[in-house]
Amino acid sequence: DAKTTQPPSMDCAEGRAANLPCNHSTISGNEYVYWYRQIHSQGPQYIIHGLKNNETNEMASLIITEDRKSSTLILPHATLRDTAVYYCIVTVTSYGKLTFGQGTILTVHP
Amino acid sequence: EAGVAQSPRYKIIEKRQSVAFWCNPISGHATLYWYQQILGQGPKLLIQFQNNGVVDDSQLPKDRFSAERLKGVDSTLKIQPAKLEDSAVYLCASSDNPGWVSIMETQYFGPGTRLLVL
Repeated sequence: DAKTTQPPSMDCAEGRAANLPCNHSTISGNEYVYWYRQIHSQGPQYIIHGLKNNETNEMASLIITEDRKSSTLILPHATLRDTAVYYCIVTVTSYGKLTFGQGTILTVHP
Repeated sequence: EAGVAQSPRYKIIEKRQSVAFWCNPISGHATLYWYQQILGQGPKLLIQFQNNGVVDDSQLPKDRFSAERLKGVDSTLKIQPAKLEDSAVYLCASSDNPGWVSIMETQYFGPGTRLLVL
């Protein structure tokens, strides 16, 4: 699985969009980009995934660059409850282990 | 739909003691995972079950860790004897991927068991 690089921490004001970057410059053509988050004292929670096209669901949007070497997770209107560690994961298979890195600690402040 | 259940939520033991964690996955989920999460790090897979069979246990320290899923539903992870470095959160996850088809799967995680070894 390709390696990912994320900033260790980010801040965001409540109500504003939170844009979390992820670099995956060694991604292969058949590897997906997954995002999970982990709120304090809870298990990780699936957010969204994509291959080539941008994706949107009720939680977030995923923007993948045309060369697929980086992506951005967008939380359009961040709330205090979005404070969590966000993990960007690249994997060739949808089945099997998820390789978690250090993730980005997102702090949403009033 | 009920989520993944784990117990106990917290456990404190002394080194060289044994401990067991229990996981009840989401009903109907064929695939079950155990992850270890050391403080400040992301979760690391220990073992993956497909029904009651082991798919991947390459990162399980088999000299002290064991896991089973006898009836393909609940699972137990055991550590015997425990070491100080086993202090971590042990997460159980499940998915509905049956394993023989290539479909996108979502892993659903339980709240974890926080283990402290003194």
